[in-house]
Amino acid sequence: GQSLEQPSEVTAVEGAIVQINCTYQTSGFYGLSWYQQHDGGAPTFLSYNALDGLEETGRFSSFLSRSDSYGYLLLQELQMKDSASYFCAVGIDMRFGAGTRLTVKP
Amino acid sequence: DAGVTQSPTHLIKTRGQQVTLRCSPISGHKSVSWYQQVLGQGPQFIFQYYEKEERGRGNFPDRFSARQFPNYSSELNVNALLLGDSALYLCASSLAGTGTEAFFGQGTRLTVV
Repeated sequence: GQSLEQPSEVTAVEGAIVQINCTYQTSGFYGLSWYQQHDGGAPTFLSYNALDGLEETGRFSSFLSRSDSYGYLLLQELQMKDSASYFCAVGIDMRFGAGTRLTVKP
Repeated sequence: DAGVTQSPTHLIKTRGQQVTLRCSPISGHKSVSWYQQVLGQGPQFIFQYYEKEERGRGNFPDRFSARQFPNYSSELNVNALLLGDSALYLCASSLAGTGTEAFFGQGTRLTVV
């Protein structure tokens, strides 16, 4: 089966950098995905890592280490609109972690 | 292009009743997954279908069932509703269901009273 661990909450100020970690256990690895969900909204795709290393998409980057079963999402130049829940997901059927609630303060 | 559409958007049912939720994936997507999300928690995987075959099933009771039609749309059925089934039910579609990018519908908010 799969299990994922993420911090439950993170708080940061506008303009700062924040890293959200995810450790996982999965019987079959098909990559690590990250999703953002604003209150009342649906999850939206942010990034996907199938191989080790860093993937950069604008202000967001995602890192994967398959040997450590670990990844992280890096958010730079934080904006108020980044306040949301962030989920990592693994598995061919995409199982989600419990999510990290990010609060960005002025 | 239309995104993933789910119907209905809201639903109120009584304990013991049955409910059917519907999902239309993005055109060209052959995989549909269903999730249950309780407020403050992550989406919990219920089912994944690919090319009309069940590919995966989460830890949910047999009261939950689903199917995928030839046009790749999908239905989620829940029988003998319990109060604890009250949640947001999300449908996600992807090209091949291999854990890469998935697109979510806005969900069906089910309230069981």
